[in-house]
Amino acid sequence: AQKITQTQPGMFVQEKEAVTLDCTYDTSDPSYGLFWYKQPSSGEMIFLIYQGSYDQQNATEGRYSLNFQKARKSANLVISASQLGDSAMYFCASKRGGSQGNLIFGKGTKLSVKP
Amino acid sequence: NAGVTQTPKFQVLKTGQSMTLQCAQDMNHEYMSWYRQDPGMGLRLIHYSVGAGITDQGEVPNGYNVSRSTTEDFPLRLLSAAPSQTSVYFCASSTQQGFYGYTFGSGTRLTVV
Repeated sequence: AQKITQTQPGMFVQEKEAVTLDCTYDTSDPSYGLFWYKQPSSGEMIFLIYQGSYDQQNATEGRYSLNFQKARKSANLVISASQLGDSAMYFCASKRGGSQGNLIFGKGTKLSVKP
Repeated sequence: NAGVTQTPKFQVLKTGQSMTLQCAQDMNHEYMSWYRQDPGMGLRLIHYSVGAGITDQGEVPNGYNVSRSTTEDFPLRLLSAAPSQTSVYFCASSTQQGFYGYTFGSGTRLTVV
C-alpha cells in the first residue's frame, strides 16, 4: 500500500526567502506519480506540481519546484521567493501508475510566511 | 468552465438523518472520487469510480453509499448520519490516468449534531 509522510506539521518562513516542505513516500510500484496541493484558508484544493516516477528531470512550475530523489523516496516541494499569499496548508500525494490507482495524501504541512 | 461543482457548501444534520452530497463535473472525466478531511488527518478516500456504473470503496467507506449512473455525476449518500461524520467533504475528478492533476470541488462542510 502507498503511504505519504509529511514530518513538518508547521513551518515558518520569512517573506522573499525560499522554503522546503518535506515529503517521503512508500510504494513498491515501479510506476507512480507524486503531487503537491495547496489549501489556503478559504479551503479549496489547488494543484501545484506533478512528478512522474520515470521523469528524468525535477518538475518545475513557476516558483515551485519538486526535489525528487527516487532512491531516498522523497519528493520535497521547494517554494522560492516566498510571498504572503503562500501561507496555506500544503499536501503531498501519490498515485499508483495506471487507471486503478487512487490519490493518497499525507497529513499536510501548514506554512506561515512572515512579513 | 464550471469544473467540479459540489452542493451544498454547508449542511447541518441531526444524528440519524440522511442526505446526499452532490458532485458534478463537466470535463468528461472518467475518474471521480470522494474524500473527507478531518483536522490533522489529511484527506482520506471514501469511495471512487473509474466510470459510469463502476464504483469501489476507499479507505473509509463505512456509513457512505455512492452510485455513478452518468459520467458527470457522483453523489455521496449518508444513510444515517453520525457525529463522527462531521467533516469537510471534497469531490475530485480526473482523466483515467490522472497524471496531470485532479480537479477538486470547493468542498462541503458537514456538521452532524
